Amino acid sequence: GENVEQHPSTLSVQEGDSAVIKCTYSDSASNYFPWYKQELGKRPQLIIDIRSNVGEKKDQRIAVTLNKTAKHFSLHITETQPEDSAVYFCAAQGRDSSYKLIFGSGTRLLVRP
Amino acid sequence: DAGVIQSPRHEVTEMGQEVTLRCKPISGHNSLFWYRQTMMRGLELLIYFNNNVPIDDSGMPEDRFSAKMPNASFSTLKIQPSEPRDSAVYFCASSHSGTNTDTQYFGPGTRLTVL
Repeated sequence: GENVEQHPSTLSVQEGDSAVIKCTYSDSASNYFPWYKQELGKRPQLIIDIRSNVGEKKDQRIAVTLNKTAKHFSLHITETQPEDSAVYFCAAQGRDSSYKLIFGSGTRLLVRP
Repeated sequence: DAGVIQSPRHEVTEMGQEVTLRCKPISGHNSLFWYRQTMMRGLELLIYFNNNVPIDDSGMPEDRFSAKMPNASFSTLKIQPSEPRDSAVYFCASSHSGTNTDTQYFGPGTRLTVL
């Protein structure tokens, strides 16, 4: 089955700097890769996603890149702000009839003012 | 749209008691997922339903856990008997699977504490 690894587990950046979180997946058939942000005590919320027919997707300060050959995808946050501080989860979904997501272990991002 | 609704938001119970968590998915969604989140184990998928039918329950930790989805707008996760190690936040999520918009939307979660 699918396995998703996420790095780093914690990341501390200065406000205004960029943050990059990386994930690798094992199942080459996976075709959907969402990223969720979870603030303390809140639910995970989708911030951006990418499908396997696209190499990059951008939404304001957030971008995701996908390398299907290497089976890894990354989240890029530019011009970080203190409100970006949260736990970020990547996930992968297979192409079969299963609609379940396999989540990475999460990255705790701290943006220092 | 009210989003995914879960109840109760917090539950404190004693070891050995039965616990029932409830979820109402987003109207029109045909897939429902139950997750458990702990510091040690992260976000784990327990079971998921498609069109009210359980598809994969391989994540259910043991026979003390059971889940049902009697109709498209309601699901329950039951723990009987509960144990302290079941303490966690339980999330329900739903999606409109089988389309190109199969994003999972999470409910607010139920924080369960078993004493």
